[in-house]
Amino acid sequence: NAGVTQTPKFQVLKTGQSMTLQCAQDMNHNSMYWYRQDPGMGLRLIYYSASEGTTDKGEVPNGYNVSRLNKREFSLRLESAAPSQTSVYFCASSELGLAGTDTQYFGPGTRLTVL
Amino acid sequence: AQSVTQPDIHITVSEGASLELRCNYSYGATPYLFWYVQSPGQGLQLLLKYFSGDTLVQGIKGFEAEFKRSQSSFNLRKPSVHWSDAAEYFCAVGVWSSGDKLTFGTGTRLAVRP
Repeated sequence: NAGVTQTPKFQVLKTGQSMTLQCAQDMNHNSMYWYRQDPGMGLRLIYYSASEGTTDKGEVPNGYNVSRLNKREFSLRLESAAPSQTSVYFCASSELGLAGTDTQYFGPGTRLTVL
Repeated sequence: AQSVTQPDIHITVSEGASLELRCNYSYGATPYLFWYVQSPGQGLQLLLKYFSGDTLVQGIKGFEAEFKRSQSSFNLRKPSVHWSDAAEYFCAVGVWSSGDKLTFGTGTRLAVRP
């Protein structure tokens, strides 16, 4: 099992450009999450999908959109990138739809720089 | 809403020494508590979790944590640190409610002296 995979691993964008971060899991998990990690701030939830066909905003959703393409895949889109979106982005998944109690399994992350 | 505090940003210990990383939480009822570890350039991996029952929880890699309700703490311990334990450690708190999120602390970066 590959677990949670993310592409790309690194990306540099110019302000105003758009891009999509891809995430896939092969554990048949129901829930998937997107976090951003910034120095001194821990992980903050951007969006999550408790089950296929549903998505909800997390703590810091502004400037992002998500798509739960199917049970395996959950993508994060930046429509018009800003320097404030420079961060490391992590995708995670969990078996059940209970974000606060499930063990979450994390991908290796995407390091994004917006110039 | 729940919150979690990790008071130590950086900790350095010598290899073979004992380790304790502090975590304090704020929540009205009994929370679900987690410790995750992030090795350099990697995603987070679960070390251990506490839901109920025995307040001393054993995890992977020789780590343990103790839930102390009176102190609102869930400190992580290891009796003898190995160089490979150098990483960033995150405490997280969650609640039993569909849709509620897991709240992470800001992390403690551990360095290990040879």
